[in-house]
Amino acid sequence: QVQLVQSGAEVKKPGASVKVSCKASGYIFTRYDLNWVRQAPGQGLDWMGWMNPDSGNTGYAQKFQGRVTMTKDVSVNTAYLELSSLTYEDTAVYYCAREWPYMDVWGQGTTVTVSS
Amino acid sequence: QSVLTQPPSVSGAPGQRVTISCSGSSSNIGADYDVHWYQQLPGTAPKLLIYGNINRPSGVPDRFSGSISGSSASLAITGLQAEDEADYYCQSYDTKLSGMLFGGGTKLTVL
Repeated sequence: QVQLVQSGAEVKKPGASVKVSCKASGYIFTRYDLNWVRQAPGQGLDWMGWMNPDSGNTGYAQKFQGRVTMTKDVSVNTAYLELSSLTYEDTAVYYCAREWPYMDVWGQGTTVTVSS
Repeated sequence: QSVLTQPPSVSGAPGQRVTISCSGSSSNIGADYDVHWYQQLPGTAPKLLIYGNINRPSGVPDRFSGSISGSSASLAITGLQAEDEADYYCQSYDTKLSGMLFGGGTKLTVL
């Protein structure tokens, strides 16, 4: 079945970077854009950006530009989100979601905790 | 601060009907960009509930329906059930932001 499986929880120190992976299965990876969405504890959904796994083209939300990088490795059907210069406010669950053009399939989420 | 405005909470008794509004502007819903709705049960990832303003994915009960008028959209849930207790989010595209955006979310409580 169509599935997105994300990497495990991460704990990072302020100022560090984190890289989260999202492995796709059950469909042709390059045919659908992938979005990243995060959710801080007790808060709503916050869209971070999108990537086209075929071309590698990306679009980032203004608030994350300069700190976020979305990449892919087509050989393993996997997308990556890297966020740098982490602060405590980056503590959140990070989700990848397939876009068609609505987000019809979601990963299970990856918890990133920023703590000293 | 979301540019799609939802009520923070709504509630209803089992069997009743509730609606959740999503108010946008001329740069998103009012610009004819589609609205999609997601349901997030506690501790789980969001799930697509309504797409393209009014369409239900396979497996979503017909108790859930979407509508749109001008720069606003609404989600209606009829025949409320205990398992409908969740957070609900609307989502669209915004030309000023050049990207997707979500409403702030609405917590549905089944009394």
